[in-house]
Amino acid sequence: EPEVTQTPSHQVTQMGQEVILRCVPISNHLYFYWYRQILGQKVEFLVSFYNNEISEKSEIFDDQFSVERPDGSNFTLKIRSTKLEDSAMYFCASRVRDHENQPQHFGDGTRLSIL
Amino acid sequence: TQLLEQSPQFLSIQEGENLTVYCNSSSVFSSLQWYRQEPGEGPVLLVTVVTGGEVKKLKRLTFQFGDARKDSSLHITAAQPGDTGLYLCAGAGGANNLFFGTGTRLTVIP
Repeated sequence: EPEVTQTPSHQVTQMGQEVILRCVPISNHLYFYWYRQILGQKVEFLVSFYNNEISEKSEIFDDQFSVERPDGSNFTLKIRSTKLEDSAMYFCASRVRDHENQPQHFGDGTRLSIL
Repeated sequence: TQLLEQSPQFLSIQEGENLTVYCNSSSVFSSLQWYRQEPGEGPVLLVTVVTGGEVKKLKRLTFQFGDARKDSSLHITAAQPGDTGLYLCAGAGGANNLFFGTGTRLTVIP
């Protein structure tokens, strides 16, 4: 069964450094999402992306964050200058089309640790 | 931000017992999904409910969407140790981004 893959599984970065988290969504999916989960807290929506542009973003997704689909397969989340509070699990999800019956499929996440 | 509250937050039961997990909100959702999350993994979809009052069954799991599409429940019959995990409800928002509940951590003791 096709799945969403995320790399790396664990990223350790110094505060202030840039980090890029990578995702390969399911191949025929058109809608892409990033979520984060701080340790012990709930999963929070960051951004949704369709047709090469952001559809919606949360208040968490400030100017330090950006997303890109540089080619036909990858979907990336960049944090320009990381802060300690960016430490979290980051999940990528994709969805085949925009219908309430179509679920989002999640990757296994990247654990980002900011030192 | 639409809030989804799950209860109970933690639940520990004996194998063979029944249980119900609740997911409540003051907001109306176009659909609501239940996920299960294992440590170190992403959420895995269990079911999507769309219509108010809808009931879906997945083996020993029964999911219900409230008539007003603001709340949902998950009932597990004859729980087994393999049911142990974190159960998450999530309501679909405007761009179909998901608002996740606070989660219920279930432990089934053999």
